[in-house]
Amino acid sequence: AQSVSQHNHHVILSEAASLELGCNYSYGGTVNLFWYVQYPGQHLQLLLKYFSGDPLVKGIKGFEAEFIKSKFSFNLRKPSVQWSDTAEYFCAVNAGTGRRALTFGSGTRLQVQP
Amino acid sequence: DAEITQSPRHKITETGRQVTLACHQTWNHNNMFWYRQDLGHGLRLIHYSYGVHDTNKGEVSDGYSVSRSNTEDLPLTLESAASSQTSVYFCASSEFKGANTGELFFGEGSRLTVL
Repeated sequence: AQSVSQHNHHVILSEAASLELGCNYSYGGTVNLFWYVQYPGQHLQLLLKYFSGDPLVKGIKGFEAEFIKSKFSFNLRKPSVQWSDTAEYFCAVNAGTGRRALTFGSGTRLQVQP
Repeated sequence: DAEITQSPRHKITETGRQVTLACHQTWNHNNMFWYRQDLGHGLRLIHYSYGVHDTNKGEVSDGYSVSRSNTEDLPLTLESAASSQTSVYFCASSEFKGANTGELFFGEGSRLTVL
């Protein structure tokens, strides 16, 4: 069965610091990869997604992620975080022919201090 | 604009009672999903449906059921609520057509407390 691991459970950064959140998945075939963000009290929103092509994917609000197939990783990055980036971030994978449900990681809580 | 609406947004119930959480989407998506969100576990899949009259069990389906009588709705029923089912429940939908390869669109969530 597919699984997703997010190793950073809680990250605290100061504004303007750089961000990298780790995501590793376990599935040997073709995958679609996603990062979602959940701001306090809100539902999940899509940050970015990878289906094929350029492994460096750019999303909204200055976020990007790099798919490294050999490492089964899809890490999220942002060069300079803002206080408004305080949220919980979830990595998700859709793997396997015909499978449409996403498997989510346990999430990383990001706290940005002003 | 298309959307997913969940109701109720907040509910408190007692152990053993039957509870139904509603989910209605106007995206006209074939795929609908129910997830529960718990601290330390992220989102876990409860049930899902790929179309009318189709339902499937997810990884944490025990104690839950769904039915899909039309495209728009996928109600989630807790047959006999247990304290372990206290959680935030999210409904989502998606479509696989052309370039759209399965991004999930989420509702606002339903917070259920079982006392």
